[in-house]
Amino acid sequence: EDKVVQSPLSLVVHEGDTVTLNCSYEVTNFRSLLWYKQEKKAPTFLFMLTSSGIEKKSGRLSSILDKKELFSILNITATQTGDSAIYLCAKETSGSRLTFGEGTQLTVNP
Amino acid sequence: DTEVTQTPKHLVMGMTNKKSLKCEQHMGHRAMYWYKQKAKKPPELMFVYSYEKLSINESVPSRFSPECPNSSLLNLHLHALQPEDSALYLCASSQDSLRHLKYEQYFGPGTRLTVT
Repeated sequence: EDKVVQSPLSLVVHEGDTVTLNCSYEVTNFRSLLWYKQEKKAPTFLFMLTSSGIEKKSGRLSSILDKKELFSILNITATQTGDSAIYLCAKETSGSRLTFGEGTQLTVNP
Repeated sequence: DTEVTQTPKHLVMGMTNKKSLKCEQHMGHRAMYWYKQKAKKPPELMFVYSYEKLSINESVPSRFSPECPNSSLLNLHLHALQPEDSALYLCASSQDSLRHLKYEQYFGPGTRLTVT
């Protein structure tokens, strides 16, 4: 099965807070794990993770994959109101299929 | 240029209409995708084209008919849709889908479809 589970489903924080978003997945046919940010329309790519234990960073965002425990986390430090969005985690399987989790709705209040 | 464009942005159609959604990319990507996203739900894969050939059809009803005229264009032809088909239809592209996905998928802004 290609189930992807994200938590929390919703999160409200204040500017400057640090947040950790979680994503767990089923191991079947795993090839990579991707994170996307979705505001009003198109999901925008954040990270692709294929190797365990190697942190990827982009500014205030970082992500890491644990292939033994089958999960990934997305960290956002010093949050800003512009970080408010739905964060989607997706598992890539054979044939370039992406199975998305339900997403985490992050709201950053000023 | 990492842009995927989609037209129209919004579409309202009756259940007897025939319409088409269009997607275009000029990044030289050889894989293109159609996703359907209902409100407050994640995108769900519908079709994958790889090197202009249909490689995946996720058991999509035949009232949705994809077409890939060339490596830059992807169409989705719609006919006799149902109200429950109303959704955001997203197009995406990536470098290669034949082997392990080494490159991320870039999404277009989507077409908001309403079936009345």
